[in-house]
Amino acid sequence: DVKVTQSSRYLVKRTGEKVFLECVQDMDHENMFWYRQDPGLGLRLIYFSYDVKMKEKGDIPEGYSVSREKKERFSLILESASTNQTSMYLCASSAYEQYFGPGTRLTVT
Amino acid sequence: AQSVTQPDIHITVSEGASLELRCNYSYGATPYLFWYVQSPGQGLQLLLKYFSGDTLVQGIKGFEAEFKRSQSSFNLRKPSVHWSDAAEYFCAAFYNFNKFYFGSGTKLNVKP
Repeated sequence: DVKVTQSSRYLVKRTGEKVFLECVQDMDHENMFWYRQDPGLGLRLIYFSYDVKMKEKGDIPEGYSVSREKKERFSLILESASTNQTSMYLCASSAYEQYFGPGTRLTVT
Repeated sequence: AQSVTQPDIHITVSEGASLELRCNYSYGATPYLFWYVQSPGQGLQLLLKYFSGDTLVQGIKGFEAEFKRSQSSFNLRKPSVHWSDAAEYFCAAFYNFNKFYFGSGTKLNVKP
C-alpha cells in the first residue's frame, strides 16, 4: 500500500511565525503536491514538484514556498504565517492517481 | 479550460437505498478519471479509477463507476448505502499527464 505521511495532524501557530509542514511518501513517486482545503472552496493546488529540486506554482502560491531535497520528502513553508492561512493542508504523491496524506489542520492565531 | 463538475453539493439517501453521484468532465481528450472519498478531518482515499477499457469500473467499499464518453460523465454508484458511507466524495480528472482537476465535492448524508 502506498503511504503518505504528514508531520502533524494538528498545528497551532502565531501570526508571523515561520511554519514547516512536511510530507513523506514511500512509493518512489516523482510527483508530489500540496493543496489547501477550505469549506466551499474545494481543493486548491499550492505547489507541486515533479522531481527533486524541481517545483511549479499551483493556483495559490502566494505566501508559501516549498522544498524538495529528496525524492520522498516535500515540504511546505509558510514564510510568515497569517490568519488567512488557517486551513486544512493536504499532501499527495502520484504516478497517475494521487495518494493523499491524512492532512494537517493548521490554525494561525 | 479543463474542469470537473459535480452538480450536487449535498445528497441525502436512506440507509439501504441506492446511490448515484454525478460527475462531468470537460470534453476533449479523455482524461484519466478518479473518485475519492473523504471522511471528516481525514485525507482523501482513492475509491476507484478509470484509465481505459471496460467502461464500468469496480472500486473499494462496494462502489462502482461508469464512464460514458458521449455524456462526458463518470458517475459513481452503490446499490445499497451503509451509514458508514456518509462522507464527502470528490471526482477528479488527470489530463495530458499534466494536471489534476478536482470537482468541488458532494457531501453524502445517510438517513437511518
